[in-house]
Amino acid sequence: DIQMTQSPSSLSASVGDRVTITCRANETVSSYLNWFQQRPGEAPKLLIYGAAHLQSEVPPRFRGSGAGTVFTLTISSLQPEDFAVFYCQQIYDPPFTFGGGTKVELK
Amino acid sequence: QVQLVQSGAEVRKPGASVKVSCKTSGYSFSEHGIHWVRQAPGQRPEWMGWIKTDDGKTKQSERFQDRLTITRDTSARTAYMELSSLRSDDTAVYYCARDGLLLHPYYPDYWGRGTLVTVSS
Repeated sequence: DIQMTQSPSSLSASVGDRVTITCRANETVSSYLNWFQQRPGEAPKLLIYGAAHLQSEVPPRFRGSGAGTVFTLTISSLQPEDFAVFYCQQIYDPPFTFGGGTKVELK
Repeated sequence: QVQLVQSGAEVRKPGASVKVSCKTSGYSFSEHGIHWVRQAPGQRPEWMGWIKTDDGKTKQSERFQDRLTITRDTSARTAYMELSSLRSDDTAVYYCARDGLLLHPYYPDYWGRGTLVTVSS
């Protein structure tokens, strides 16, 4: 199975901050990489697919980049509704594994 | 609007089976695949499998070996996930999610609200 590792596992930030989350795969996943946001008690919500494509109706402050084994999710200006857990998922080779998550908390 | 409505919470004893349904609306059922993903308390999501809704072909995680069965009923616009020989570590919220494509898994764009399955003696 492809292993997905996210860093950091948690971070504290303020509204308006720029936040970057990194996801690493232990082998190439090409650009088959999705990013999700999950709030407590809710299903994951797709933010980015294909490493860099913004899902419909997701604000443009979310940006995905990378290819191969290293990917980043950047939130350009953190908003109050963005405090949540973020997961990456490779969808290159089954089983389509998720990263361990990054919890974004209010400083 | 696209909706995926899952069946209600279930409690099972170890060794039993559970079947969760995912009824869809708001789009053409046979033009999008369906994923099943589960999430144990405090854990990362775990992908279980995917079904190509036009012909019923599936891709499944080998972790579940022959315990997992994913099916669909196109006339009912519903997908199903059945897990057998349940163990306590199968306790989780089970989600279905529509994929943006049909031909191969790519991006799960709409999700159900989840079905809590509790396995306890």
